[in-house]
Amino acid sequence: GAGVSQSPSNKVTEKGKDVELRCDPISGHTALYWYRQRLGQGLEFLIYFQGNSAPDKSGLPSDRFSAERTGESVSTLTIQRTQQEDSAVYLCASSLDLYNEQFFGPGTRLTVL
Amino acid sequence: AQSVAQPEDQVNVAEGNPLTVKCTYSVSGNPYLFWYVQYPNRGLQFLLKYITGDNLVKGSYGFEAEFNKSQTSFHLKKPSALVSDSALYFCAVRDHGQNFVFGPGTRLSVLP
Repeated sequence: GAGVSQSPSNKVTEKGKDVELRCDPISGHTALYWYRQRLGQGLEFLIYFQGNSAPDKSGLPSDRFSAERTGESVSTLTIQRTQQEDSAVYLCASSLDLYNEQFFGPGTRLTVL
Repeated sequence: AQSVAQPEDQVNVAEGNPLTVKCTYSVSGNPYLFWYVQYPNRGLQFLLKYITGDNLVKGSYGFEAEFNKSQTSFHLKKPSALVSDSALYFCAVRDHGQNFVFGPGTRLSVLP
């Protein structure tokens, strides 16, 4: 596709369950980012991947959060043992490299009951 | 570490009037500066960027921004606001290091 896609668009889960969120970046984009946006708030950086370099995980809020990326393709963000405070929209973005503008996906709205 | 400030949570402007959404930054070295817009129930869209060159940058939807190095500012402007410009606007900065930081956002309301 022409843009960044994310799935699922909505996810409702019970507290304590694990969830996996997927991001398909724009083809050819070497950089991929994950952000969290709580209702009415700004973007909270979680993690980014750049090519084959080690990812910058400095924004992950706890060890329940992890992410992987296959080469310069799909990325998955996994949240283990979800908590109610994890409820938010999780946004993925990709860019040609670290210095160019990011293109955002539509996000996954996660609700933890 | 770099940081971005958007001093106004909310900006209200009448349709047809000029608008300004403010952004100031702190970064070591020369900055890369960006503006994004988030319309209700939609994803973030890139508006414009400053990397180098002319201080006045023109972007999508008639928006422009002026890079002012001495004031470390990158204010977003539009000569004549439209009701459809009502949205949440984010300024972002990265330096030559590894981090990309977004501001807290400014909600723009254009009143008919």
